[in-house]
Amino acid sequence: DVKVTQSSRYLVKRTGEKVFLECVQDMDHENMFWYRQDPGLGLRLIYFSYDVKMKEKGDIPEGYSVSREKKERFSLILESASTNQTSMYLCASRSGGRRELFFGEGSRLTVL
Amino acid sequence: GESVGLHLPTLSVQEGDNSIINCAYSNSASDYFIWYKQESGKGPQFIIDIRSNMDKRQGQRVTVLLNKTVKHLSLQIAATQPGDSAVYFCAAGGFTGGGNKLTFGTGTQLKVEL
Repeated sequence: DVKVTQSSRYLVKRTGEKVFLECVQDMDHENMFWYRQDPGLGLRLIYFSYDVKMKEKGDIPEGYSVSREKKERFSLILESASTNQTSMYLCASRSGGRRELFFGEGSRLTVL
Repeated sequence: GESVGLHLPTLSVQEGDNSIINCAYSNSASDYFIWYKQESGKGPQFIIDIRSNMDKRQGQRVTVLLNKTVKHLSLQIAATQPGDSAVYFCAAGGFTGGGNKLTFGTGTQLKVEL
C-alpha cells in the first residue's frame, strides 16, 4: 500500500514563528502536493511539485514556500506564521500520468 | 475558474438504505472525476473515479453516475453501513496549461443512523 506520512499530526505555534511541515511518500511518486482544508472551503492547493527541485504555485501560495530536495520528501514552510494560517494541512502524492491522489493523515496547525 | 460544489453539506440515512451524494462542476473540459471519503481525523481516501467519456462506473457497493449535459455527478452507496459515515468529496480533474490538477468540492457529511 502507498504510504504518505506527515511528520506532525498536531502543532501549536505562535504568530511570527517559522513552521516546517514534512511529508514523505514511499512509492517513488513523481508528483507531490500540499493542500489546506478549511470548513466550507474544501481542499485548496497551495503548492505542488512534479519532480525533485521543481515547484509550482497552486491556487493559494501566498505566505508559503516549499522544498523538494529528494523525490520522497516534500516540505511546506510558513516563513512567518499568522493566525489565518490555522488550518488542516494535507500532503498528497501521485504517480506521473495517473489520476489518483494518495493523501497523508493531515497536520492540524494552530497559530496563536 | 473551475468550481466544484456538493449539493448538501449533511445527509442522514438509515442503516441498510441506499445513499446518494450529489456534486456539480463548472468546467466542461474536465477529463475525469474522483470521489474521496474522509473519516474523522484521517486523510481523504480514494473511492472511485470516472472518465469524462463514461456515464456510469460501478465499484464494490458504489456507483458513480456522470451527466455531462448538466455537469452533475453522483455517488450512490448501496446498503449503507455505519462504517460509511464520513465526509465525501468529489473532485474534477483535467490536463490544463498548469498540468494535471484536481479541484475539490466542499464535502457532504454522511451520517448513518442505526
